[in-house]
Amino acid sequence: SQTIHQWPATLVQPVGSPLSLECTVEGTSNPNLYWYRQAAGRGLQLLFYSVGIGQISSEVPQNLSASRPQDRQFILSSKKLLLSDSGFYLCAWSSMDRDGAQYFGPGTRLTVT
Amino acid sequence: KQEVTQIPAALSVPEGENLVLNCSFTDSAIYNLQWFRQDPGKGLTSLLLIQSSQREQTSGRLNASLDKSSGRSTLYIAASQPGDSATYLCAVRIAGGTSYGKLTFGQGTILTVHP
Repeated sequence: SQTIHQWPATLVQPVGSPLSLECTVEGTSNPNLYWYRQAAGRGLQLLFYSVGIGQISSEVPQNLSASRPQDRQFILSSKKLLLSDSGFYLCAWSSMDRDGAQYFGPGTRLTVT
Repeated sequence: KQEVTQIPAALSVPEGENLVLNCSFTDSAIYNLQWFRQDPGKGLTSLLLIQSSQREQTSGRLNASLDKSSGRSTLYIAASQPGDSATYLCAVRIAGGTSYGKLTFGQGTILTVHP
């Protein structure tokens, strides 16, 4: 069966510090991978998606970047965090070899102080 | 641009009631529609997936219907329980190879079932 992991679960970082959030998927090959952000009281906003190693597409211009160094690893980064980067970050995967559904990880709660 | 709307924004019901959550979308060219549940501080749990060629899907006390031509889906929860309390999100996947599986989400319905 497929499993998706995210870490850390929670993170408190000062403004201007760097960020690295990691997501890994087990039990599937060549998945599409996605990073979403969910701000308090708001819906999910797609930040980045990837259809393969090294292939990253950005949906929203921002202070963040993403990388996919391995088939089942997706990393969200920032060089200098802003207060507005606070939120709940969710990683997800989907595969056309399966049913085309999207499956989410447990999320990372980021608070920028 | 696809837009997804969920009504109502919040719903509070006594235990045992049957209830309906509504989702509407503006572009009927969808690949599939997915209903999710989100508990506070947690990730999204997939409840039901309806492909564009399907009319409904059922899982236990949950039944989701899809009317693609009118841009509507409903999630029916039978005999609600306090454990059903959560935020329910509807998301549509646009058809076409260039969509790369991207989803457009509604804002969600916050459901509270009280004993």
